[in-house]
Amino acid sequence: DGGITQSPKYLFRKEGQNVTLSCEQNLNHDAMYWYRQDPGQGLRLIYYSQIVNDFQKGDIAEGYSVSREKKESFPLTVTSAQKNPTAFYLCASSQGQGAYEQYFGPGTRLTVT
Amino acid sequence: GESVGLHLPTLSVQEGDNSIINCAYSNSASDYFIWYKQESGKGPQFIIDIRSNMDKRQGQRVTVLLNKTVKHLSLQIAATQPGDSAVYFCAERDLMNTGFQKLVFGTGTRLLVSP
Repeated sequence: DGGITQSPKYLFRKEGQNVTLSCEQNLNHDAMYWYRQDPGQGLRLIYYSQIVNDFQKGDIAEGYSVSREKKESFPLTVTSAQKNPTAFYLCASSQGQGAYEQYFGPGTRLTVT
Repeated sequence: GESVGLHLPTLSVQEGDNSIINCAYSNSASDYFIWYKQESGKGPQFIIDIRSNMDKRQGQRVTVLLNKTVKHLSLQIAATQPGDSAVYFCAERDLMNTGFQKLVFGTGTRLLVSP
């Protein structure tokens, strides 16, 4: 089955620790995205990558970092510099650059205490 | 499940009714719009899209209407079923200063369908 996988579904960390969220896709999509979702708000773009070895900051990139070493993978690291890291994180991909239909993964719920 | 949208506007309907979910968008230059459905604890799922050169587009049990004059988008669901219960998001495509086109998501509407 083609799709996007994110792991783990739930993640718990202590404040001050960095944590990396996994995102893998087997759709052969060029572009990948990371969003953050908070209650009562729409999805906000953290980082995006249009092609391997290239990525750009989105609207709320502070406290986050990414890499795109392989077409299939776009991991997100939530660093200790992120002031409010507890959120639902969604990874997505699309066929080409730009924003036609994006396919979303199941999400990772990160809780930092 | 994921407690997405604790303070979202909510539309409650009876099974079999037609549902209309509305969305106001901000950028008059947006040329593409999408509706997504998100069930509790899951990622958003594509429902239907529409380009700005169209006023209406129909899918299976769903219709999207676009009114560019007032920057309004609506999603109509015919014969609503309990499985339609979810949060529905509209998204518009905007051009970033990097030249990249991104999706800007609305805050969502929760649809509750009673049997």
